[in-house]
Amino acid sequence: DQQVKQNSPSLSVQEGRISILNCDYTNSMFDYFLWYKKYPAEGPTFLISISSIKDKNEDGRFTVFLNKSAKHLSLHIVPSQPGDSAVYFCAASEANFGNEKLTFGTGTRLTIIP
Amino acid sequence: GAGVSQSPRYKVTKRGQDVTLRCDPISSHATLYWYQQALGQGPEFLTYFNYEAQPDKSGLPSDRFSAERPEGSISTLTIQRTEQRDSAMYRCASSPGLAVQETQYFGPGTRLLVL
Repeated sequence: DQQVKQNSPSLSVQEGRISILNCDYTNSMFDYFLWYKKYPAEGPTFLISISSIKDKNEDGRFTVFLNKSAKHLSLHIVPSQPGDSAVYFCAASEANFGNEKLTFGTGTRLTIIP
Repeated sequence: GAGVSQSPRYKVTKRGQDVTLRCDPISSHATLYWYQQALGQGPEFLTYFNYEAQPDKSGLPSDRFSAERPEGSISTLTIQRTEQRDSAMYRCASSPGLAVQETQYFGPGTRLLVL
């Protein structure tokens, strides 16, 4: 039972254009969402998060959008840079459980084409 | 330390053997998590510690899996009588505390192969 789904295993984007990574979830109890970025041979690193009381959070080139009614979130990277090439994981948690039990999606491999 | 470290980075073992994986969290961090990541999947929660307490073991796949953090710092994950389906990347993460906004910092993982 995959509660967090990333339906695109891979995505290629031209340098300078916008990258949009998508994530869907099924558990209506999730109320905190995160994106992690992973380079080869390294652990995932935190990128950006959003609480369910918001519909948008922006940090530099990275913006996360949350549509609670659709149980959908997306990560926008603009402009895309070669260093953004990595695997991106969407994750979710239930705030009433604190920070444990992050539930991850299967990841999307983003390749930025110079 | 500067980040979360895990050892060994790679472990090959024969089916039926016991293995112990080690995690050194960031020194100031109260909370430590273990995840299992199968090939092509995202990390899946196994268990977590708040200091030395282990409030949630619900993600451990079977009673062959156990974890300890006796002094609230270093943690070990032990898999007894390993099976081929245990082959995966095992990731440790630590965070300053339990608040949902506390970032989890991941180690590089231990890749376990059971032959």
